[in-house]
Amino acid sequence: NAGVTQTPKFQVLKTGQSMTLQCAQDMNHNSMYWYRQDPGMGLRLIYYSASEGTTDKGEVPNGYNVSRLNKREFSLRLESAAPSQTSVYFCASRPTGMVNTEAFFGQGTRLTVV
Amino acid sequence: GQQVMQIPQYQHVQEGEDFTTYCNSSTTLSNIQWYKQRPGGHPVFLIQLVKSGEVKKQKRLTFQFGEAKKNSSLHITATQTTDVGTYFCAGRPGNQFYFGTGTSLTVIP
Repeated sequence: NAGVTQTPKFQVLKTGQSMTLQCAQDMNHNSMYWYRQDPGMGLRLIYYSASEGTTDKGEVPNGYNVSRLNKREFSLRLESAAPSQTSVYFCASRPTGMVNTEAFFGQGTRLTVV
Repeated sequence: GQQVMQIPQYQHVQEGEDFTTYCNSSTTLSNIQWYKQRPGGHPVFLIQLVKSGEVKKQKRLTFQFGEAKKNSSLHITATQTTDVGTYFCAGRPGNQFYFGTGTSLTVIP
């Protein structure tokens, strides 16, 4: 059982480059999330998708876009990377339509923007 | 701004000592969850508290939810080296969970 799979695990970008972080879950969860983790800041919600076909902004959405491609996949796109976007990015999912249940996290993507 | 605050940010303890991390919110939380993240790893769910004043135990870990549902704590008795990592609370003041800033625990053998 793979759970939540993120690709790539590591990435170095130059300022201004674009890239897409991929996330897929095989647990049939409706809700999916993208977080960034920075030292001393905890996990901050970038975007989330409560169900297939819907996306909403979280705490820190500026500079990012998302796509809920289907129930399994939720991608995060950086159109023009900036050094401030250097971070560890985590994708997570929760069971069907319920916010009172645990979140399952992927292994994370360590992104450096130079 | 950060909706859920945690203190302390870092804690170093001698193996065998106790450890406590506190989570505080300015607004009432519907429930609160706790997660553990090992160094280099991803957050893993530990427990959820829902009721005012609720106390739950998992072996050496004790979790409490405040009476006003604005704060919570995680207490570890007699820490072990396997307890190292960052502990996060996640509170739900509205429709989504907001994670605290985390407490990084180092256990010195």
